[in-house]
Amino acid sequence: AQTVTQSQPEMSVQEAETVTLSCTYDTSESNYYLFWYKQPPSRQMILVIRQEAYKQQNATENRFSVNFQKAAKSFSLKISDSQLGDTAMYFCAFMKHSRNNNNDMRFGAGTRLTVKP
Amino acid sequence: KAGVTQTPRYLIKTRGQQVTLSCSPISGHRSVSWYQQTPGQGLQFLFEYFSETQRNKGNFPGRFSGRQFSNSRSEMNVSTLELGDSALYLCASSDRGLGYTFGSGTRLTVV
Repeated sequence: AQTVTQSQPEMSVQEAETVTLSCTYDTSESNYYLFWYKQPPSRQMILVIRQEAYKQQNATENRFSVNFQKAAKSFSLKISDSQLGDTAMYFCAFMKHSRNNNNDMRFGAGTRLTVKP
Repeated sequence: KAGVTQTPRYLIKTRGQQVTLSCSPISGHRSVSWYQQTPGQGLQFLFEYFSETQRNKGNFPGRFSGRQFSNSRSEMNVSTLELGDSALYLCASSDRGLGYTFGSGTRLTVV
């Protein structure tokens, strides 16, 4: 079974600074997807960034980037130039690749990020 | 393109009752997954439906069930409600395993 671990229950960062959220996972699969989702107080889960395991290049979406270390099974999220609107719960998630596109996504416990003015 | 729509947004039920939650996926998405979110257990996978068939099921008792209709809309049902079933229930739709788009959830309170 796949497990996802987020070791930082809470973090805070000053506005405009950079913060990194950690995520590790455990799997015997070789082909899979990794995701970071954001859940603000409005409770809507929003996809932040997505990474395919077969791609060596780290994904980037504007101020959000990941450091994907496949051998170490690590998938950290870096938020640059933090903004007040980045305040939210952040969930790391794992989904194995399957031929019939089974969608069974497993989530970590989440990291509550607070951006301070 | 309309997002994932969940109804109702809030629900209060009494122990022992049953409840049905509804989810309309993004048009064209055939996969619908359900999650239960609680402060103590986090996000837990309930089940996934694809083309009216349940493809995956999480570790929940048989009181939790679901179905999917031919238009991909999905419902989940919880019978004989318990206090511990109080949670945010999230529905997500997906296209070809590219990750989920979530609805805003249904907040269920059991009293």
